Amino acid sequence: AQSVTQLDSHVSVSEGTPVLLRCNYSSSYSPSLFWYVQHPNKGLQLLLKYTSAATLVKGINGFEAEFKKSETSFHLTKPSAHMSDAAEYFCVVSDDGSTLTFGKGTMLLVSP
Amino acid sequence: GAVVSQHPSWVICKSGTSVKIECRSLDFQATTMFWYRQFPKQSLMLMATSNEGSKATYEQGVEKDKFLINHASLTLSTLTVTSAHPEDSSFYICSARDGGQHLFRNEQFFGPGTRLTVL
Repeated sequence: AQSVTQLDSHVSVSEGTPVLLRCNYSSSYSPSLFWYVQHPNKGLQLLLKYTSAATLVKGINGFEAEFKKSETSFHLTKPSAHMSDAAEYFCVVSDDGSTLTFGKGTMLLVSP
Repeated sequence: GAVVSQHPSWVICKSGTSVKIECRSLDFQATTMFWYRQFPKQSLMLMATSNEGSKATYEQGVEKDKFLINHASLTLSTLTVTSAHPEDSSFYICSARDGGQHLFRNEQFFGPGTRLTVL
């Protein structure tokens, strides 16, 4: 069985400061892991994905995530937040590459 | 990336009526489409998976007679909420998977969602 826990429902940062969105997963197999972003009234957009290649994954818009098997974590980071990063972020796991299990989401708030 | 559209973006209906939501892949052929439901401040929950030309596979707890899914072509899937009730009010999101032989193969592309409100 696969599951995802996003440890924070809300994260608030100031523009220009680092972003850390935490995600822990549970999987019976070697999982694929994803981060999606959802802006208001927009579809989900894939930020990045891990599929058993390099453990440090670089995504779009300056985001990256590191797969740590020993910690069963896949935290999302960005060195410097921008106002346009304010959105909801979902960590997603897949055991079979097809069925996606979503975390509950983390709302990122960016203040000027 | 590929584009998936949904129509309508929002709909309000009376209790007891049926509502149809369309999901289209605009620039690729979607061999598989997925329907999700998202309650306020909650995660996306997979409702069903449909492959073109075959019956949908529903997740446990999802009533297949209430949520009718049709995937008649490689670019269109529809979700019909039959005899809708207020508890069916939710945000419905579809995704489509591109089965082609290129960079985005097997990646799911998500539509913008449909907000359903049942009065």
